[in-house]
Amino acid sequence: AQKVTQAQTEISVVEKEDVTLDCVYETRDTTYYLFWYKQPPSGELVFLIRRNSFDEQNEISGRYSWNFQKSTSSFNFTITASQVVDSAVYFCALIKNSGYSTLTFGKGTMLLVSP
Amino acid sequence: GAVVSQHPSRVICKSGTSVKIECRSLDFQATTMFWYRQFPKQSLMLMATSNEGSKATYEQGVEKDKFLINHASLTLSTLTVTSAHPEDSSFYICSARERGGINEQFFGPGTRLTVL
Repeated sequence: AQKVTQAQTEISVVEKEDVTLDCVYETRDTTYYLFWYKQPPSGELVFLIRRNSFDEQNEISGRYSWNFQKSTSSFNFTITASQVVDSAVYFCALIKNSGYSTLTFGKGTMLLVSP
Repeated sequence: GAVVSQHPSRVICKSGTSVKIECRSLDFQATTMFWYRQFPKQSLMLMATSNEGSKATYEQGVEKDKFLINHASLTLSTLTVTSAHPEDSSFYICSARERGGINEQFFGPGTRLTVL
């Protein structure tokens, strides 16, 4: 069975602060994909990143960066110099890379960035 | 590319009526589509997986007679909430997996259902 844990239910920061959203996962599969999605108040899920389990290289995209640590089964997401527009719910998700499988979502972390 | 649409985006109906939600893959063929339900401040919960031309597979606890899913073509899946009740009020999101693609899903914008 797969499981994704986002222990932080809600985080509040002030604009320009850095913030890290934690994601810890459990899986027995050796190959899998990890995802982060952003869900703004409008409700639409916005894809942020996909990471293959074989690729542990950290990734940076503008103010966003991701730290994949296979040894600790974590895939943390950092927003640098947060902005009000970053306020949203962020979901971490996992899917195995074999056959037809389904996404397992974490419970989400609500990020509130105040001016 | 990989755009998924949903229609309607928002629907309000009276208790006891049926509501149909469409999910379309606009620029790719989707052999598999997924339907999720999301209650306020909760995560997405998978309701069912539908494969084109075959019956949907429902998750445990989801009533297949209440949530009818039809996946008649490679670009369209529909979810019909039959005899809707206020407790069915939720945000319904579909996603689609591309034919021959890697194991990734593309999400629609969601449909907010309110049953009065």
